[in-house]
Amino acid sequence: GQQVMQIPQYQHVQEGEDFTTYCNSSTTLSNIQWYKQRPGGHPVFLIQLVKSGEVKKQKRLTFQFGEAKKNSSLHITATQTTDVGTYFCAGKTNDYKLSFGAGTTVTVRA
Amino acid sequence: EPEVTQTPSHQVTQMGQEVILRCVPISNHLYFYWYRQILGQKVEFLVSFYNNEISEKSEIFDDQFSVERPDGSNFTLKIRSTKLEDSAMYFCASIFRGQNYGYTFGSGTRLTVV
Repeated sequence: GQQVMQIPQYQHVQEGEDFTTYCNSSTTLSNIQWYKQRPGGHPVFLIQLVKSGEVKKQKRLTFQFGEAKKNSSLHITATQTTDVGTYFCAGKTNDYKLSFGAGTTVTVRA
Repeated sequence: EPEVTQTPSHQVTQMGQEVILRCVPISNHLYFYWYRQILGQKVEFLVSFYNNEISEKSEIFDDQFSVERPDGSNFTLKIRSTKLEDSAMYFCASIFRGQNYGYTFGSGTRLTVV
């Protein structure tokens, strides 16, 4: 079945630094979504990428979808303490199932 | 902003007992889902529901699990005979249409089987 892999599992970042989390799917995706889960919270939708090679930005967050629609990345610049949480990518191949990666848990050193 | 509502927020049950987790999806949404997350682990797909029937289910969703939309608003997940390994956070989610929308998740029900 479809597998979505995400690295790194943990990211410890100094406040103000940049970091990137990477996502790879074993199959071609119709789209990929990114979610953020704060500690003790539920996943909250951030963005969706649909087109091959698509790049989208949300303030300090930049999301990319690979040309083959099998990989994606999230890059955060100038990390802030509000960025703490787990970032999940989730891949979709049909209407009925979204498969989540294992997530990257981000901690920030002030 | 519309929300997906889940009750209860925390359920403790004896092993072997039946539990029903309840969800009220956003009113105009058409696709409904249950996911679970064992503490510290990934969010795992259980089942999707569309047009009053199961669309897809995972290998986790065995005969002990069932879903219902009994009255057009509530969406329930029943676990018939709970096991210790069913302890997890269970999230309900809904979307308006299938393809190009982000999921709205509820706050979850933490199920503890003792």
